[in-house]
Amino acid sequence: QVQLVESGRGVVQPGRSLRLSCAASGFSFSTHAMHWVRQAPGKGLEWVAVISKDGSNGNNKYYADSVKGRFTISRDNSKNTLYLQMDNLKPDDTAVYYCARDSLHYGIFDYWGQGTLVTVSS
Amino acid sequence: EIVLTQSPATLSLSPGERATLSCRASESVTNYLAWYQQRPGQAPRLLIYDASNRATGIPDRFSGSGSGTDFTLTISSLEPEDFAVYYCQQRYNYFTFGPGTKVDIK
Repeated sequence: QVQLVESGRGVVQPGRSLRLSCAASGFSFSTHAMHWVRQAPGKGLEWVAVISKDGSNGNNKYYADSVKGRFTISRDNSKNTLYLQMDNLKPDDTAVYYCARDSLHYGIFDYWGQGTLVTVSS
Repeated sequence: EIVLTQSPATLSLSPGERATLSCRASESVTNYLAWYQQRPGQAPRLLIYDASNRATGIPDRFSGSGSGTDFTLTISSLEPEDFAVYYCQQRYNYFTFGPGTKVDIK
């Protein structure tokens, strides 16, 4: 069965960095684009970033305006793992971060991880 | 950016009743509209994609309709596990979510 397990939760000070990981299993990781979606406490869902199935081309990564220039999405298909490098973190980045698998219809999130909480606070 | 608006914000119903949730887009998204369910403390779950297609394993009491800018999610007869928050999401131009509709027990 499809499993997505995020890790890297923590409390960080504004301006610092944090890297999230998402370990995938139960499907052919290299054949699916992958996304990060976040949810601030008590709020709705916000799409963060997407990476194509191979991720080798910089043109195949896209970001929400709110994180562009600060967050970097990447993947290692040999390790079935998705990453989100978050730099220059702001208090507004406080959220549960979900990784989500893209279905074979681009832009449909058919499986989600359980999420990992990132808190940005001094 | 395509903005999605959902109504009502909260829907109070009893088990067995019919729920009708609305999602409106600021511009046409053709049929590139999905619906997700999120129960408290859980990750979202895909219910409907491309306006009217049920995802794998989703009961047939869930149905979607609409195209262009106006979409509807209908739950024909509410089960106890259906009381949750429902989000619509478009994939026509990047990806955005609506603010959600909470279906709670009357």
